[in-house]
Amino acid sequence: DAGVTQSPTHLIKTRGQQVTLRCSPKSGHDTVSWYQQALGQGPQFIFQYYEEEERQRGNFPDRFSGHQFPNYSSELNVNALLLGDSALYLCASSSQGYEQYFGPGTRLTVT
Amino acid sequence: QKEVEQNSGPLSVPEGAIASLNCTYSDRVSQSFFWYRQYSGKSPELIMSIYSNGDKEDGRFTAQLNKASQYVSLLIRDSQPSDSATYLCAVIRGSNYQLIWGAGTKLIIKP
Repeated sequence: DAGVTQSPTHLIKTRGQQVTLRCSPKSGHDTVSWYQQALGQGPQFIFQYYEEEERQRGNFPDRFSGHQFPNYSSELNVNALLLGDSALYLCASSSQGYEQYFGPGTRLTVT
Repeated sequence: QKEVEQNSGPLSVPEGAIASLNCTYSDRVSQSFFWYRQYSGKSPELIMSIYSNGDKEDGRFTAQLNKASQYVSLLIRDSQPSDSATYLCAVIRGSNYQLIWGAGTKLIIKP
């Protein structure tokens, strides 16, 4: 049984560009949450998708947007990249949102 | 006051001893509690979940929850060098599925 997968593993972008990160949930899971983790800090909640709708959103600007597809996979889009967006982006899947299992993450570097 | 607080450590424990990690939370309506282990450069891995007062044991790990004191802990018995990692405490409030994270405690097991 495949766990949560994310792509790409690493990404380098230039300030002002746009980026799309992808996540496939664990089999049987219907909820996907996205987190941003800066070095030495706990993850920060970006948003959560359930039934193709954004169910909850953390304190992130509208530059951060997402989507969930009918097969429960999800995308995170970030527009107008800033240097401060450099971080590890984590996707977690769950059934109904409780026990969340994380993918390996995407390391985004903005130069 | 942060919603979820952990001692940042590092906590140094001799191999074979019991490691005790603590977490306090501020919102009394919190209902679900999780411990994650994160190795440097990797994503968080769920190791324990606990929902009711008391102890929950899984192998060498025991989670303890005291809702009256708003306190959750993780005990690791027979600590091994491979247990060296950052341990993150996370909480879900009520019907809100958003994980609220502590900053993590760095645990070092000394051979």
